[in-house]
Amino acid sequence: DTAVSQTPKYLVTQMGNDKSIKCEQNLGHDTMYWYKQDSKKFLKIMFSYNNKELIINETVPNRFSPKSPDKAHLNLHINSLELGDSAVYFCASSFIGGNTGELFFGEGSRLTVL
Amino acid sequence: GEDVEQSLFLSVREGDSSVINCTYTDSSSTYLYWYKQEPGAGLQLLTYIFSNMDMKQDQRLTVLLNKKDKHLSLRIADTQTGDSAIYFCAESTSGGSYIPTFGRGTSLIVHP
Repeated sequence: DTAVSQTPKYLVTQMGNDKSIKCEQNLGHDTMYWYKQDSKKFLKIMFSYNNKELIINETVPNRFSPKSPDKAHLNLHINSLELGDSAVYFCASSFIGGNTGELFFGEGSRLTVL
Repeated sequence: GEDVEQSLFLSVREGDSSVINCTYTDSSSTYLYWYKQEPGAGLQLLTYIFSNMDMKQDQRLTVLLNKKDKHLSLRIADTQTGDSAIYFCAESTSGGSYIPTFGRGTSLIVHP
């Protein structure tokens, strides 16, 4: 069974559309994250939720809205997509502060905005 | 400048040793990590070192930490073509709830 799974793996859409990426973890972790990896492979944290509460919200346009219905899920909704939103979005999970801070990553969702 | 810096590319011949270097700025870093990203996949933790250690060895991997210079390195002995990937250095602090801050990644290319 996949530990951190994201869907869809690929998403191609037009500018101005609204899209969602879903993430689920079955590791029993209490914290989930969204990272954005740009074309130069730079990995930047966007959001983090601990026990369904938002704990990190980096400088991200408010077109991006994360939602955590429970500890095992963290979804990312993006409104009014722009060309610059094209990237690979990674979901991750961990036990916050519990041990070494190791993150477990999903396989990524490649978003292409045309 | 960025919090965690590493060179972008490294090319080695199969069987040689690879050394990937990283510098970081936060002197209160508690854990330092090396993650590996294979093509089309997410990142996976390779190894980590606690800030009060100088060295950690795990089979072909050796991590060296120079806390004074805030320098971390990853040495891969007998590099294989399967080691070709992007290697990310990261650091975390207790003040940051141990959430890692990543460098830009070093693309390791291993050729026969």
